[in-house]
Amino acid sequence: KAGVTQTPRYLIKTRGQQVTLSCSPISGHRSVSWYQQTPGQGLQFLFEYFSETQRNKGNFPGRFSGRQFSNSRSEMNVSTLELGDSALYLCASSLRGRETQYFGPGTRLLVL
Amino acid sequence: GENVEQHPSTLSVQEGDSAVIKCTYSDSASNYFPWYKQELGKGPQLIIDIRSNVGEKKDQRIAVTLNKTAKHFSLHITETQPEDSAVYFCAATPGGAAGNKLTFGGGTRVLVKP
Repeated sequence: KAGVTQTPRYLIKTRGQQVTLSCSPISGHRSVSWYQQTPGQGLQFLFEYFSETQRNKGNFPGRFSGRQFSNSRSEMNVSTLELGDSALYLCASSLRGRETQYFGPGTRLLVL
Repeated sequence: GENVEQHPSTLSVQEGDSAVIKCTYSDSASNYFPWYKQELGKGPQLIIDIRSNVGEKKDQRIAVTLNKTAKHFSLHITETQPEDSAVYFCAATPGGAAGNKLTFGGGTRVLVKP
């Protein structure tokens, strides 16, 4: 079974732009969570989607948003990028959202 | 909310020795504690997990112990090998309304010297 896939793997943007990252969960998994990883703040929870509904949200500004499609694929969007948004963005999927989470390789975003 | 502390931040061991990483959590409602290994350029990979109704779990050279009363859990790696070199993260989740939200420790960089 294929693992969690994320696209693109690397991205360079400039301040003020917006970006959309994509995540395809493991086949059959309906829960997708997003995390931000930075050297300073570590791994931080952004939000979780289950059956196309946001079920949980972390402490990030409204510039960070996401959605989930009927096939469980998920996207996250960051608007008005800031230098501090440079990070590795990780997606994790689980069967129904109460079990083990499996992570993708991440999208490394650099904001210049 | 939940807070997870992880120690040490770096750990250097000789090949064949054991490595121990310790984590403490703050939310007594937390009931699921996974450990992840992250290699350079990759996402975190689950290596072992434990639920609050179990005190210890072992998988080959890896074991995890949980002390609910003290709110701490530990990862033990025996007979370390160079391929065990990576960053290890502990995490906790309270479940319930928090759903699947994982709160991570700060990570431990493990270096196994041949």
